[in-house]
Amino acid sequence: GAGVSQSPSNKVTEKGKDVELRCDPISGHTALYWYRQSLGQGLEFLIYFQGNSAPDKSGLPSDRFSAERTGGSVSTLTIQRTQQEDSAVYLCASSYHPGRYEQYFGPGTRLTVT
Amino acid sequence: SQQGEEDPQALSIQEGENATMNCSYKTSINNLQWYRQNSGRGLVHLILIRSNEREKHSGRLRVTLDTSKKSSSLLITASRAADTASYFCATDAGGYQKVTFGTGTKLQVIP
Repeated sequence: GAGVSQSPSNKVTEKGKDVELRCDPISGHTALYWYRQSLGQGLEFLIYFQGNSAPDKSGLPSDRFSAERTGGSVSTLTIQRTQQEDSAVYLCASSYHPGRYEQYFGPGTRLTVT
Repeated sequence: SQQGEEDPQALSIQEGENATMNCSYKTSINNLQWYRQNSGRGLVHLILIRSNEREKHSGRLRVTLDTSKKSSSLLITASRAADTASYFCATDAGGYQKVTFGTGTKLQVIP
């Protein structure tokens, strides 16, 4: 079946603008993760959704970042008033069950804030 | 802070040699996973080892887990240029909660 998809693949925006990044997980996967990766760095956990439970937002770097997961499927990560330090690759992953099974990653969205 | 820390941060070897990467973590886990990342985009799952397992093999990959030392190692035997990538360990921090990733080891295999 189809893997995890993300859109757009690349996004260039001006400082101060809002951006929305989309993730379509694999159908049936209950867990969905957002990560951020700056150039040459490791993965920074942002937010985690598991079924109908309240999301774990502990990794969001500021209140400019928010995410939703509608109907337990598609997720949108929103960054308001973007800053240059927000430039990174944003990766989404989904899993059948957190921890017990592997995560399947999307190709990422490369965000550049000018 | 990161749950997992890989060591070394970077590793350069000749094709045909073996590559060993280590991962240390802080809290008890149910499972530990290793992933590979090419070209700074999506990660690919390599292998999962459960906390009650000590060693696992998959092709040229061998993973060990020592829960008493809270550490794991990934061995790639007979390395190839195509193995050049970053390798990350990931743990669930117990309780089947969120999975977090280590800082990664950048492996370069020189043809």
